[in-house]
Amino acid sequence: KNEVEQSPQNLTAQEGEFITINCSYSVGISALHWLQQHPGGGIVSLFMLSSGKKKHGRLIATINIQEKHSSLHITASHPRDSAVYICAVSFGGSNYKLTFGKGTLLTVNP
Amino acid sequence: DVKVTQSSRYLVKRTGEKVFLECVQDMDHENMFWYRQDPGLGLRLIYFSYDVKMKEKGDIPEGYSVSREKKERFSLILESASTNQTSMYLCASLKGSTGELFFGEGSRLTVL
Repeated sequence: KNEVEQSPQNLTAQEGEFITINCSYSVGISALHWLQQHPGGGIVSLFMLSSGKKKHGRLIATINIQEKHSSLHITASHPRDSAVYICAVSFGGSNYKLTFGKGTLLTVNP
Repeated sequence: DVKVTQSSRYLVKRTGEKVFLECVQDMDHENMFWYRQDPGLGLRLIYFSYDVKMKEKGDIPEGYSVSREKKERFSLILESASTNQTSMYLCASLKGSTGELFFGEGSRLTVL
């Protein structure tokens, strides 16, 4: 069964801390997405990656294909980073059907 | 900016009513999706469409149908709403050249 596991489920941090959210998947993938959802809001795509590392501002996403693992890092966290972060994976040859993790609720306190 | 617009942010319907949820995207994307999001279950794919009039069932299609008569519009239909269809419904479109996903704001449906 194609599965996506995220950890931790909940994460509370102080402003300025370095944050890491993890995503593991069960079989080979064609792409992995990191998404952000603010309370009551829609979902925004942060990254899509199939290998290596991507950086956008304070956000960094890495993926290790051999270990079937990806991490999302937030440097110098800020209260506005408080959101649910969701990992989603497309297995096999299809980019269209995604399997989603259950999300990580991040709260950054001032 | 790409925009995915869902017709209603909040709806309240009664059991047995027919419900239409509409989604429009303005970037000529071929692929569009309907998901539902429930606490503890994450997002689950109901249906997706890869072209006009083309559709495929997702993981939980029972009780739903879809319509894609024009490329920009993808509608989700609940023929006879039931209380277990109370949920947040999210529409998305996918940019084929990059695989990037764009989501609408969501439609929170309550079925009484």
